[in-house]
Amino acid sequence: KQEVTQIPAALSVPEGENLVLNCSFTDSAIYNLQWFRQDPGKGLTSLLLIQSSQREQTSGRLNASLDKSSGRSTLYIAASQPGDSATYLCAPYRAIAGGTSYGKLTFGQGTILTVHP
Amino acid sequence: DTEVTQTPKHLVMGMTNKKSLKCEQHMGHRAMYWYKQKAKKPPELMFVYSYEKLSINESVPSRFSPECPNSSLLNLHLHALQPEDSALYLCASSQPKGQLLTYEQYFGPGTRLTVT
Repeated sequence: KQEVTQIPAALSVPEGENLVLNCSFTDSAIYNLQWFRQDPGKGLTSLLLIQSSQREQTSGRLNASLDKSSGRSTLYIAASQPGDSATYLCAPYRAIAGGTSYGKLTFGQGTILTVHP
Repeated sequence: DTEVTQTPKHLVMGMTNKKSLKCEQHMGHRAMYWYKQKAKKPPELMFVYSYEKLSINESVPSRFSPECPNSSLLNLHLHALQPEDSALYLCASSQPKGQLLTYEQYFGPGTRLTVT
């Protein structure tokens, strides 16, 4: 059974800092890994998806890395802003044996990020 | 258009009521998912439909009954729920894209369910 751990559980920083959010997972037989953002009481917004064959993916101020063999992924946020305040969820994806079009995301507990002005 | 819509946004129901949650996507995705998210917890998978067939049921109680009438629509029928079923119910969809099998999941905004 896949287990996903995110460190730290919470992070409070002043605006402008560069941040590192960590994710580790126990089953390295994954197809890809998604990072999501969730604002309180809202749905999930996909930030980045890294395929298992990739090492890195970038979108704006966000950069995610993946080391599949060691079961680790890291999300870097550059020049943080108050609008970045949210819960960040890491979710490795594993295709279901025999299934070709679906699989399972397993979520970590999330990192609650607060960026204050 | 990468949007998944869910209705209603909020639902309050008694333990003897029957209600339904609705999810729609028009991205041509062929896999659709229901997740349950309790407060301060990560989402947990409930059901997966692939090509309109139920492919995964994560041992969900029978008071939750999913339905996929067509490739764009996913329903969750609720009956005789318990107060502990109060949660945010999220719908998601995904689709393998030819040779580029991304399986990226797109989530809707959720339905906040309160059972009284």
